[in-house]
Amino acid sequence: DADVTQTPRNRITKTGKRIMLECSQTKGHDRMYWYRQDPGLGLRLIYYSFDVKDINKGEISDGYSVSRQAQAKFSLSLESAIPNQTALYFCATSDFGPPMYNEQFFGPGTRLTVL
Amino acid sequence: AQSVTQLDSQVPVFEEAPVELRCNYSSSVSVYLFWYVQYPNQGLQLLLKYLSGSTLVESINGFEAEFNKSQTSFHLRKPSVHISDTAEYFCAVSENPGYSTLTFGKGTMLLVSP
Repeated sequence: DADVTQTPRNRITKTGKRIMLECSQTKGHDRMYWYRQDPGLGLRLIYYSFDVKDINKGEISDGYSVSRQAQAKFSLSLESAIPNQTALYFCATSDFGPPMYNEQFFGPGTRLTVL
Repeated sequence: AQSVTQLDSQVPVFEEAPVELRCNYSSSVSVYLFWYVQYPNQGLQLLLKYLSGSTLVESINGFEAEFNKSQTSFHLRKPSVHISDTAEYFCAVSENPGYSTLTFGKGTMLLVSP
C-alpha cells in the first residue's frame, strides 16, 4: 500500500464550486504539505503543517484553505474554484531530524481542471 | 531566504551520452540539498540527497551530484544516459537547522532520444 495517498486522482469541476482534496499518510510523519505544479513553474508551496495544531501559509495560499484533521490527514479546499487553479496538486510528508532531515515523500497527485 | 535556480528548462541528449543538470542555490545558513525525479504521469521520487560529509553523493541508478559550497551549486550528472531517464528533475534546498520547508527549483526536463 502507498504511504501517501491522495483522493481524488482526477477531478473536473466548474468555476465557483467548492472542492476538497484529501491526503492521508501512513508514514507517521508530523509534517505535511500541499503543493501545486504548473508547467514551467515547478512546485509551489500552498500550505504546510508541522503538527496537528500548526498551520502555515506557503507561497501561494490565496484562494485555498486547509484542515489538519489528524496527524495522518491533511485536506486542501478551494472555496470557490477558478480556472487558473487548474493544476496538478501534490501532498507530501516529512519528518525532521536524523535520519530524514526534511526529506519529503510525495503522493501520486491530483489533477484538477476548473472549467 | 532560501532559493533554487535550475538554469536549463530542457536538456535534450542522445542515449549513452553524458549529461549534467545544473542547480544553484542561495541561502544564508547551512543547507540540505535534494534531487527529485518525476517520470511522466507520476509523482516525485527522491533521487539523491546531500546532508553532510562527503560532497559527492550517488543514486542507485548511476546519477551523482556534487555539493560545492563555494559555488553554491549541486549539479546532477550521469556519464551515460538511457531512454528510461527521460523525466523532469527538480533540485530542492532545505535550511539547516530548520523550522524550514523545502524550496524547489522550476525543474529541468531531460529528453533522451535514440
